[in-house]
Amino acid sequence: GESVGLHLPTLSVQEGDNSIINCAYSNSASDYFIWYKQESGKGPQFIIDIRSNMDKRQGQRVTVLLNKTVKHLSLQIAATQPGDSAVYFCAGTPGGYQKVTFGTGTKLQVIP
Amino acid sequence: GAVVSQHPSRVICKSGTSVKIECRSLDFQATTMFWYRQFPKQSLMLMATSNEGSKATYEQGVEKDKFLINHASLTLSTLTVTSAHPEDSSFYICSARDGEGGQPQHFGDGTRLSIL
Repeated sequence: GESVGLHLPTLSVQEGDNSIINCAYSNSASDYFIWYKQESGKGPQFIIDIRSNMDKRQGQRVTVLLNKTVKHLSLQIAATQPGDSAVYFCAGTPGGYQKVTFGTGTKLQVIP
Repeated sequence: GAVVSQHPSRVICKSGTSVKIECRSLDFQATTMFWYRQFPKQSLMLMATSNEGSKATYEQGVEKDKFLINHASLTLSTLTVTSAHPEDSSFYICSARDGEGGQPQHFGDGTRLSIL
């Protein structure tokens, strides 16, 4: 079946450093990818998205990179802050735009 | 914009009780809403896709008679967990999309369901 998975379950970074969270996907037909942030006890919060016709997209302090050749997606957070501590999920649309499949999640811990 | 409200945020009830969870899109119309279930330290698992004015589409392994979904308007979908048992205890999250595919889903803050 389709899967969207993450390499590392937990990532610890020093405050002020850059964070990189990685994600691999298996279905090359996926058209659209999204990164979500989930804080404890809350629903996922949209961070940034990218379509398959792009390889990079930047937001405020965040950048998503898409490498379709190796089916890899990454989220870069610049100057990581304590408020960035959360679980981050990549998600993709292996079945078309209607359904979104979530990866397993990476917990980001920011060390003050 | 694109706010999704979910209610209640927490439910604790006895085994055998049916529980209704509401999901509302506050500032946009959502022809499609989604219901997810999340166990502790795990990812979100899609349960069903809720389409306004039609029957929900359930994922494989999800009992449609157990998890009743109604999407009566463009801003409201409800999930009813019927005759809930302790194994139904979980974090239920809804989402809605503003527009057609290719747009991000916006999530509610979830409902923590605990069945005693």
